[in-house]
Amino acid sequence: EAQVTQNPRYLITVTGKKLTVTCSQNMNHEYMSWYRQDPGLGLRQIYYSMNVEVTDKGDVPEGYKVSRKEKRNFPLILESPSPNQTSLYFCASSTLQRGGKGEQFFGPGTRLTVL
Amino acid sequence: AQTVTQSQPEMSVQEAETVTLSCTYDTSESDYYLFWYKQPPSRQMILVIRQEAYKQQNATENRFSVNFQKAAKSFSLKISDSQLGDAAMYFCAYRDNFGNEKLTFGTGTRLTIIP
Repeated sequence: EAQVTQNPRYLITVTGKKLTVTCSQNMNHEYMSWYRQDPGLGLRQIYYSMNVEVTDKGDVPEGYKVSRKEKRNFPLILESPSPNQTSLYFCASSTLQRGGKGEQFFGPGTRLTVL
Repeated sequence: AQTVTQSQPEMSVQEAETVTLSCTYDTSESDYYLFWYKQPPSRQMILVIRQEAYKQQNATENRFSVNFQKAAKSFSLKISDSQLGDAAMYFCAYRDNFGNEKLTFGTGTRLTIIP
């Protein structure tokens, strides 16, 4: 089954404790992205990657890091989480092949609470 | 920068009736995609319908259809024969057909179905 997986689905942590949210896709997609969803703000892009070893900042990158060492994986790293990073996080992927339908496939979301 | 506006935070409709959700966007580009995503209580992001800007014909998917007005930069979603399972948050999203391929989301419309 074609899918994007994220782990963990729920996480409660404390300020300053480093954490990683994993994202993996099995569709051989070149493009992967992280979004955060906050009430009244919709979803906003944190970081994205066009291919292996190619990453760049989105609209709200402060406090986050990413890496793309393998095509299927795109982990989101919070080196020193703060309460304002409490949010719902989504990983998404899509093909960059011409003729693709432009659709991004989303993971199930990770609910992060930073105390 | 592209922006997406959903001016209706909440909408309600009687079961079996028709409802229209509004979305406007701002862009200087001519080649782009527009999407409607549904987010039920499970929080999963589900693609409802997509529209390619160069296609004049409005997209339809079963009970879901759009009214795409390119000159007016308007992209409304019509849900016919509303069902209880349609209750969700609906997000309008824009994506350029080049560059980052970031999805820019509106703030969402929460749709309630009245039995």
